[in-house]
Amino acid sequence: QKEVEQNSGPLSVPEGAIASLNCTYSDRGSQSFFWYRQYSGKSPELIMFIYSNGDKEDGRFTAQLNKASQYVSLLIRDSQPSDSATYLCAVGNQFYFGTGTSLTVIP
Amino acid sequence: KAGVTQTPRYLIKTRGQQVTLSCSPISGHRSVSWYQQTPGQGLQFLFEYFSETQRNKGNFPGRFSGRQFSNSRSEMNVSTLELGDSALYLCASSINPTDWAYEQYFGPGTRLTVT
Repeated sequence: QKEVEQNSGPLSVPEGAIASLNCTYSDRGSQSFFWYRQYSGKSPELIMFIYSNGDKEDGRFTAQLNKASQYVSLLIRDSQPSDSATYLCAVGNQFYFGTGTSLTVIP
Repeated sequence: KAGVTQTPRYLIKTRGQQVTLSCSPISGHRSVSWYQQTPGQGLQFLFEYFSETQRNKGNFPGRFSGRQFSNSRSEMNVSTLELGDSALYLCASSINPTDWAYEQYFGPGTRLTVT
């Protein structure tokens, strides 16, 4: 059973700040890593995926992967109230998900 | 292009009954996965179907089963319902399920309540 761990939060940041979300995983053989955002009452939607060590940037979002330490993180720059949601980390081709981190961006 | 659709959106059943949920993937997507989401357990993988075959399975009892049709539409069945089966059931479809790329697109879910 692959395990994916996330800090459930809640995480609160002021508008305009950087939000940092972290995820650790147990299976060293995992090759693909995904971040999903889920608004309350909605289904998850893919934000980013990353396969290689290092950083991957997409607009205000940056995914960071460190396979040696078995963690993947998501940075949200210039956080907006519309970023308030639960962020889910998923690993591998069977999509084992963490329980999610609830983020609130305070105006 | 239409997204993933799930029917019904809401369902209320009694303990001991069985239920069938339906999922229609995005056109061209051949993989359909099913998940159970509860506040306490988060999003848990049930099973994945590809080309009418169950390819991957999570750790759920045999009361949970599924199938996929030739048009990639999938159904999930839960027999002998228990109160703990109350959850949001999500299906997700994927166009290219390889070991490297497994981007999934989720449907709106079916909210099942067992009384």
